[in-house]
Amino acid sequence: DAGVTQSPTHLIKTRGQQVTLRCSPKSGHDTVSWYQQALGQGPQFIFQYYEEEERQRGNFPDRFSGHQFPNYSSELNVNALLLGDSALYLCASSLGGKAKNIQYFGAGTRLSVL
Amino acid sequence: QKEVEQDPGPLSVPEGAIVSLNCTYSNSAFQYFMWYRQYSRKGPELLMYTYSSGNKEDGRFTAQVDKSSKYISLFIRDSQPSDSATYLCSGGGATNKLIFGTGTLLAVQP
Repeated sequence: DAGVTQSPTHLIKTRGQQVTLRCSPKSGHDTVSWYQQALGQGPQFIFQYYEEEERQRGNFPDRFSGHQFPNYSSELNVNALLLGDSALYLCASSLGGKAKNIQYFGAGTRLSVL
Repeated sequence: QKEVEQDPGPLSVPEGAIVSLNCTYSNSAFQYFMWYRQYSRKGPELLMYTYSSGNKEDGRFTAQVDKSSKYISLFIRDSQPSDSATYLCSGGGATNKLIFGTGTLLAVQP
């Protein structure tokens, strides 16, 4: 049973560029959440997708956007990259309903903005 | 005040010791409480989750939630060097977004 998979594992970008990160949820899961984890900090919630719509959003600017596809996979897009966007980006998947809180994480994409 | 507070450590214990990891939270709407283990430069791995108050045991791990005092604990019995990692506590509720503590770095010395 494949777990949550994320690609790429590492990315290096320069300020002002745009980046797209990808996530495939755990088999049978239909809900995808994205988190940003800065060094030495806990993950911070960016947004959650269910039924191809953004359902919840954390305190992140509109430069952060996403998409969910009919097969439940998801993308995170970040425009106009800033140095402060350097972090580990984590995707988590869960079942619908009350189980949305029981989230399983992928290995993450480490983004470095130079 | 952060919604979830966690002592960042580091916490160093000898192999075989009982480890106690603790968090406090302020959001009364939390219903689910999760513990994740994160090895260096890896994604968080779900260890245990608890719904509402009470205890849950899984092998060497026991999770406790006391909603009256807003206190979350994880106990690790017979700790092993392979348990050395950062342990993250989190809470979630009707919004389905998890709020995490900063994580506690645990080192189990052989």
